[in-house]
Formats: sequence, structure tokens, C-alpha cells
Amino acid sequence: EDKVVQSPLSLVVHEGDTVTLNCSYEVTNFRSLLWYKQEKKAPTFLFMLTSSGIEKKSGRLSSILDKKELFSILNITATQTGDSAIYLCCSHNTNAGKSTFGDGTTLTVKP
Amino acid sequence: NAGVTQTPKFQVLKTGQSMTLQCAQDMNHNSMYWYRQDPGMGLRLIYYSASEGTTDKGEVPNGYNVSRLNKREFSLRLESAAPSQTSVYFCASSGIQGIYEQYFGPGTRLTVT
Repeated sequence: EDKVVQSPLSLVVHEGDTVTLNCSYEVTNFRSLLWYKQEKKAPTFLFMLTSSGIEKKSGRLSSILDKKELFSILNITATQTGDSAIYLCCSHNTNAGKSTFGDGTTLTVKP
Repeated sequence: NAGVTQTPKFQVLKTGQSMTLQCAQDMNHNSMYWYRQDPGMGLRLIYYSASEGTTDKGEVPNGYNVSRLNKREFSLRLESAAPSQTSVYFCASSGIQGIYEQYFGPGTRLTVT
């Protein structure tokens, strides 16, 4: 059974801090790992990492994938209150098109 | 271009009642999914449809049925609702699974009393 574990489950920081969110996975026939941001509504896509794209960056957010150690991290630098959200990690395998989500990390950024 | 739409947004059911959640996408995506999200938890896959005409069980399919009506529409049916099915339900769609990201609908908040 595919498994995705995120840590920490929750995190409280102040504006300007840098945070690192962790995601470990055990997935048969791994294809890709995705990060989503969920505010008080539906998740929105941040990054996809595959064997051919193991590091992604967009503004203050960046993510890496370590396929040997089976984990990914999401970094957010110079955090802002608008970064407050649940961050979800999701794995895809190649068989049967299934996706598996972790329980998410709830990030709270205080002014 | 509305993306992924879901109806209804809210629903309250009594135990044993049935209902169908509707989902439609206008992005010409092949794959569609139904998830449920309980407080403090991530998304759990109920059913998915890799392409029109096919459906498969996800992690938590018991108590649910689905229909991929056409390429655009994917419905989720609760035949006999139970309090354990109280949750927020999200529909999503994507291009080829695993190669493209998923786009999510706004969700349906379902309460079963």
C-alpha cells in the first residue's frame, strides 16, 4: 500500500522566517511527487517533481526530490501571512493511476 | 473557462438517504477523481476514472458508487448515507495521470445526521 507521511503536522512562524516542510513516501512504481497549497478552499498546484525534474523553484518557494532516500522538502523563504495554509504532498504511481496524499502540514505565519 | 465545477456546495442528509454529487470539467481532461477530506487529514481517493468509460476504486470506496457519464462529467453517489460519510468532497481532473497536475473543484460540504 502506497504511503505518504508529512512532517511536521503543524508549524507556527513569524513573518520573515524560513520554513522547511517534509514529505517522505513509499510508493510502488513511483512516477511523480506533487505539492499543493490549500487555503480555505480547494488545493492549488505548486510543484511537480519527477525523475527528470528533481528541483523546482518559484519565487520564494522551492522544492527538491531525493529519489534515493524517498523524500521531498518544500522550502519557503521570507514567509508572509499569505503563506498561511495547509501544504499537501501527493505521490503518483504508474500503475492504475492512483494518487496518495499525506495528511498535510498546517503552516501559520504570524505578523 | 470555469475549470472544475461541483454541485451542490452544501448538503445535509439524514442517515439512510441517498444523493448524487455532480462534477464537470471543461478542460478536456482525460482523468477525473473523487476525494474526501476529513478534519486534520489529507485527501483520500474514493474513486477515479483514468479515461472516459473506465472507473476504478481508490483508497476508500465503500459506500460510494461513481459514473463517468462522458468525458466532462463524473458523478459520485451515496446510496445509503451514514454519519461516517460526513466530510468535504472534492472532485478533480487532470491530463494524463502522473504527468500533469490535478485541478480541483470548490468542494461539497456534506453532513449526515
